[in-house]
Amino acid sequence: GAVVSQHPSRVICKSGTSVKIECRSLDFQATTMFWYRQFPKQSLMLMATSNEGSKATYEQGVEKDKFLINHASLTLSTLTVTSAHPEDSSFYICSARPVNYGYTFGSGTRLTVV
Amino acid sequence: AQKITQTQPGMFVQEKEAVTLDCTYDTSDQSYGLFWYKQPSSGEMIFLIYQGSYDEQNATEGRYSLNFQKARKSANLVISASQLGDSAMYFCAMREGRHGGSQGNLIFGKGTKLSVKP
Repeated sequence: GAVVSQHPSRVICKSGTSVKIECRSLDFQATTMFWYRQFPKQSLMLMATSNEGSKATYEQGVEKDKFLINHASLTLSTLTVTSAHPEDSSFYICSARPVNYGYTFGSGTRLTVV
Repeated sequence: AQKITQTQPGMFVQEKEAVTLDCTYDTSDQSYGLFWYKQPSSGEMIFLIYQGSYDEQNATEGRYSLNFQKARKSANLVISASQLGDSAMYFCAMREGRHGGSQGNLIFGKGTKLSVKP
């Protein structure tokens, strides 16, 4: 149980375009979803916390206008990278915390901006 | 200051031998949780083991055990009988507070790349 489905797993986009990443909780309701970014050979860094029905909380240094988060339902949170640039190329991974369970992660999205 | 410190960027271990991956943490909370995750090259985060700050016994999950030394603020992962499939990045992580501080998120260390040699 407690599965988070994330897609796409891999996306290549042109510089200046936008990319949407979806994370869906399959068998539980996720009122909170955590979005992490991981650069090659580095750790996971929290970007933002999305809360169902309210505004996301962004970590210091993360541009909220660039990384749009929407958590419109209890089972879906989306991260949209707007006007992507090559420096946004990274591995993005979401995580949720089902009640009485540890943290569960999506499978991650490898974004390449060319 | 780093909350989670993993001092070993890379480790090698011979197949079938045991290996210890170090992790120290920094928190002023009395209640916190410590996690270890494995990340293979595919990128997925695989949960290995959890230790609560009030747990008196060291956590064990199959070949994984956590050497929890609260006074020293260390939570080392021990993998026994290493297998080739254990080659991956290993991350130590902490959740502060009973529900994880203000947001409940995990804080990760920089990771240790484990390579198992045949």
